[in-house]
Amino acid sequence: AQKITQTQPGMFVQEKEAVTLDCTYDTSDPSYGLFWYKQPSSGEMIFLIYQGSYDQQNATEGRYSLNFQKARKSANLVISASQLGDSAMYFCAMREWFGDSNYQLIWGAGTKLIIKP
Amino acid sequence: DTEVTQTPKHLVMGMTNKKSLKCEQHMGHRAMYWYKQKAKKPPELMFVYSYEKLSINESVPSRFSPECPNSSLLNLHLHALQPEDSALYLCASSQRLGGSGNTIYFGEGSWLTVV
Repeated sequence: AQKITQTQPGMFVQEKEAVTLDCTYDTSDPSYGLFWYKQPSSGEMIFLIYQGSYDQQNATEGRYSLNFQKARKSANLVISASQLGDSAMYFCAMREWFGDSNYQLIWGAGTKLIIKP
Repeated sequence: DTEVTQTPKHLVMGMTNKKSLKCEQHMGHRAMYWYKQKAKKPPELMFVYSYEKLSINESVPSRFSPECPNSSLLNLHLHALQPEDSALYLCASSQRLGGSGNTIYFGEGSWLTVV
């Protein structure tokens, strides 16, 4: 069975510092996709970044980058120059296929990030 | 701003009430989802619609009844709920089921309190 592990329940980081949120995964499927979402206290689940298992380069989206280490089965999110607005819960998720073309997301437990001024 | 719109943002209902949560997306997506999320937990999948047909029902109690009137709209009808059903309900959509790089986009959620 596929599994996502986020080992950091909470993190405090000083504003403007870089942040690394850990995510490890387990799957026997050679084709998989990994996602990071941000969820502020308002509740909205915001898509941040995606990495496919066959992608040759690490994904980047603005201040977000994904440190993808396939052999170690890790997909850590890196946030550069953190801002107060980055304070939120962050979820790592993996796509799980079932049926002909159905899929759902397998979620990690999440990491609560608090940026200190 | 998200292109998945959910209403209402907040809902308080009694255990004998009937209410509905509504979701609309304007991205031309053909798959739509309902998730339930309890505090400090990741979302739990409830239902998936693909091309307006129910594709996945994750053994959700019948007091939750989904409906997909068209490819842009998704409703969740609520009846005879229990206090433990109080949660954040998230609607989401994706371009289609299948294909690599397919991203699920979420709405802002509906906070439900059952009293």
